[in-house]
Amino acid sequence: IAGITQAPTSQILAAGRRMTLRCTQDMRHNAMYWYRQDLGLGLRLIHYSNTAGTTGKGEVPDGYSVSRANTDDFPLTLASAVPSQTSVYFCASSDVGHGELFFGEGSRLTVL
Amino acid sequence: GENVEQHPSTLSVQEGDSAVIKCTYSDSASNYFPWYKQELGKRPQLIIDIRSNVGEKKDQRIAVTLNKTAKHFSLHITETQPEDSAVYFCAAGPGGSARQLTFGSGTQLTVLP
Repeated sequence: IAGITQAPTSQILAAGRRMTLRCTQDMRHNAMYWYRQDLGLGLRLIHYSNTAGTTGKGEVPDGYSVSRANTDDFPLTLASAVPSQTSVYFCASSDVGHGELFFGEGSRLTVL
Repeated sequence: GENVEQHPSTLSVQEGDSAVIKCTYSDSASNYFPWYKQELGKRPQLIIDIRSNVGEKKDQRIAVTLNKTAKHFSLHITETQPEDSAVYFCAAGPGGSARQLTFGSGTQLTVLP
């Protein structure tokens, strides 16, 4: 089934540890995004990539990094996790020039 | 930048009644206004969107209205059903770029049987 796959689904992490959330899409979309979802705050953009080899900062990029080595993969890395990064993280993709976002199932991250 | 406010944060309606969720935005350059539905534990999915060259758009039981002068847009769900229970997010931004979308804080809609 075409779509976006995220891993892990859920993770508990000690503060200070490094963590990479994986995201893979098979829709050949040019653009990919990472959002975090927190109660009462909606979806906030962390980082995005308009095409392979390019990335950009969103609304809340601090503490996170991304890479886009190819069209399909867009991993999100927390270099040194902090409790405020406890959240549900959604990867998404879209065709450049089209507004619709296609989301993955989400990754629930708890930082203790 | 864009600021999107969404109200109410929670909404309960009886099955069969209508539900209305309202959003306001700040940036007059925004011309694309999508609505996403997120069922419990699921991913957000686009249910309807509107662009600023139209004032209203319908798709079966859901409709969206847009007032560019007042900078607000609304989601209307008629004849609500239990499966309409979900969190609904509005968003606003320049057309053609999902990267520039700003989301509202969400509305938890509960349809009571």
